[in-house]
Amino acid sequence: EPEVTQTPSHQVTQMGQEVILRCVPISNHLYFYWYRQILGQKVEFLVSFYNNEISEKSEIFDDQFSVERPDGSNFTLKIRSTKLEDSAMYFCASMRDRGLEQYFGPGTRLTVT
Amino acid sequence: AQKITQTQPGMFVQEKEAVTLDCTYDTSDPSYGLFWYKQPSSGEMIFLIYQGSYDQQNATEGRYSLNFQKARKSANLVISASQLGDSAMYFCAMRGRSYNTDKLIFGTGTRLQVFP
Repeated sequence: EPEVTQTPSHQVTQMGQEVILRCVPISNHLYFYWYRQILGQKVEFLVSFYNNEISEKSEIFDDQFSVERPDGSNFTLKIRSTKLEDSAMYFCASMRDRGLEQYFGPGTRLTVT
Repeated sequence: AQKITQTQPGMFVQEKEAVTLDCTYDTSDPSYGLFWYKQPSSGEMIFLIYQGSYDQQNATEGRYSLNFQKARKSANLVISASQLGDSAMYFCAMRGRSYNTDKLIFGTGTRLQVFP
């Protein structure tokens, strides 16, 4: 069964460093998302991406964040200068078409020290 | 604004019994979708069940069913014949389908523990 994959599973970085979180959505899916979950809290929407552009972003998704689909299979989230409060689990999700369910990847746990 | 409320931070159920996890929602969208996801201790988010706001019948998927009461704005998850492997966090989520919004709004979750 096709699934969303994410790498790495765990990333430790120092404050102020740039990180890139990688996702490979399900191959015939057209809509892509990033969510984050701070430890013990609820899952929060960051950004949605369709047709090679951002379709919606939350207040969390400020200028430090960017997304890219560089090669038609990968979908990346970049944080330019990480802060302690960026420590969270980051989930990528994809959806085949509007109105259907979103499938989540296993997540990347980001720890900023 | 859309909002999901899960008032049960934790629930206990004995193996083989049924359990209901509560979810209420608030939205002004005329068309929306409601979802339940399971998050085991390993951290991944597993899609369980979906209910569309115009669906006439309550959704069912195996041991999972969704008790959808539109007038009360509730979408409770019912797990029948609980198994030890059902122990996990359960999140209710909503997606508006109007106004070009397809992001998911999540509740705070309910931790379910199944005991033998």
